Amino acid sequence: GAGVSQSPRYKVAKRGQDVALRCDPISGHVSLFWYQQALGQGPEFLTYFQNEAQLDKSGLPSDRFFAERPEGSVSTLKIQRTQQEDSAVYLCASSLVGGAGGETQYFGPGTRLLVL
Amino acid sequence: GESVGLHLPTLSVQEGDNSIINCAYSNSASDYFIWYKQESGKGPQFIIDIRSNMDKRQGQRVTVLLNKTVKHLSLQIAATQPGDSAVYFCAEKGPSGGYNKLIFGAGTRLAVHP
Repeated sequence: GAGVSQSPRYKVAKRGQDVALRCDPISGHVSLFWYQQALGQGPEFLTYFQNEAQLDKSGLPSDRFFAERPEGSVSTLKIQRTQQEDSAVYLCASSLVGGAGGETQYFGPGTRLLVL
Repeated sequence: GESVGLHLPTLSVQEGDNSIINCAYSNSASDYFIWYKQESGKGPQFIIDIRSNMDKRQGQRVTVLLNKTVKHLSLQIAATQPGDSAVYFCAEKGPSGGYNKLIFGAGTRLAVHP
């Protein structure tokens, strides 16, 4: 079956450019998560949606980062005025439901962002 | 493809041997612990999870052990195969993150030699 898909897979941006990263979760999954993974490290939480509601954005590193999920399905992570320290792999994950419990998060392949 | 875990600790094993990957977690209030496998150029893939009220759980060729006293988690892989070569991450979640936020450990690279 179809898993989580992300596009583009690779993105090269000049410092100061805006970028938009797309995530298509598994069909029917209520919860959607964004993580940032620096080279050689584990993923770090950025933000979480339940349907269209952004319930936790505590991990967004600055106000240059913005995420949305307007119809409760596809999500976009936007980074404005990119900086070199934004270079990382951005991972999207989805789960069937959210909240308390052991719901498994299924990850997409990630978007590798390189800011020059 | 891109490399994951260039500077991570590496466990090297011979094909057919058993592998044990260890992880220390930080939050004694965490309720769920999960192991993920990440191959180069791919996202993390769920392997197995365990709840804090258990100390052992078995899957296909994998076993997870949880020691809450010392906040230690381990993943045992039986009869390791070349396809098991990847970076392995433990992750935890609990009430501090609303049971939504996964907190990942540093990761261990497993290298399987024929």
